[in-house]
Amino acid sequence: NAGVTQTPKFQVLKTGQSMTLQCAQDMNHEYMSWYRQDPGMGLRLIHYSVGAGITDQGEVPNGYNVSRSTTEDFPLRLLSAAPSQTSVYFCASSWRTGGEETQYFGPGTRLLVL
Amino acid sequence: AQTVTQSQPEMSVQEAETVTLSCTYDTSESDYYLFWYKQPPSRQMILVIRQEAYKQQNATENRFSVNFQKAAKSFSLKISDSQLGDAAMYFCAYGDYTGTASKLTFGTGTRLQVTL
Repeated sequence: NAGVTQTPKFQVLKTGQSMTLQCAQDMNHEYMSWYRQDPGMGLRLIHYSVGAGITDQGEVPNGYNVSRSTTEDFPLRLLSAAPSQTSVYFCASSWRTGGEETQYFGPGTRLLVL
Repeated sequence: AQTVTQSQPEMSVQEAETVTLSCTYDTSESDYYLFWYKQPPSRQMILVIRQEAYKQQNATENRFSVNFQKAAKSFSLKISDSQLGDAAMYFCAYGDYTGTASKLTFGTGTRLQVTL
């Protein structure tokens, strides 16, 4: 299994540009989520999905869109990038069985918005 | 909303010694998860240990153990026999049930240095 994969690893955008951060998992996990990590802060939840076709907002959803058409993929779209969206973005997937839960994180995408 | 507080921005420990990282959280829920994640310079988030709130027994994973005090809303991580590879950022996280998994709220992290 590849686990959770994210592309690209690093991206530079100009203010106003749009882009999609890709996230995929091959573990058949129902739950997927996106976090951002800013200097001096912990990870903050942007959006999450509890299954294909179902998404919901997290703590910091403004400026981001998501969709979940398949179990495997959960892309994050920036419609009009702003310098405040400069951050490291992590995708995660997880499942729960028998009361035990395991979350797996991708390697992260570093985004710089100029 | 839940909050997680890590009051130690940096800690240092000598190799082979024991260190404890502190974490407190605030919630009105009775059922939740707590986690400690390790983030080395590679930025990969690595699960160290987890604790279910309904379990009274403290979780342990090899050299890592927690002291979970539910009434005090405290969740500290003890690392025994510290190794150079333990040097990293450590994040405490609170997990709020969504039905299929937990939405995580993270603390601001503690940077752990391990010295010879």
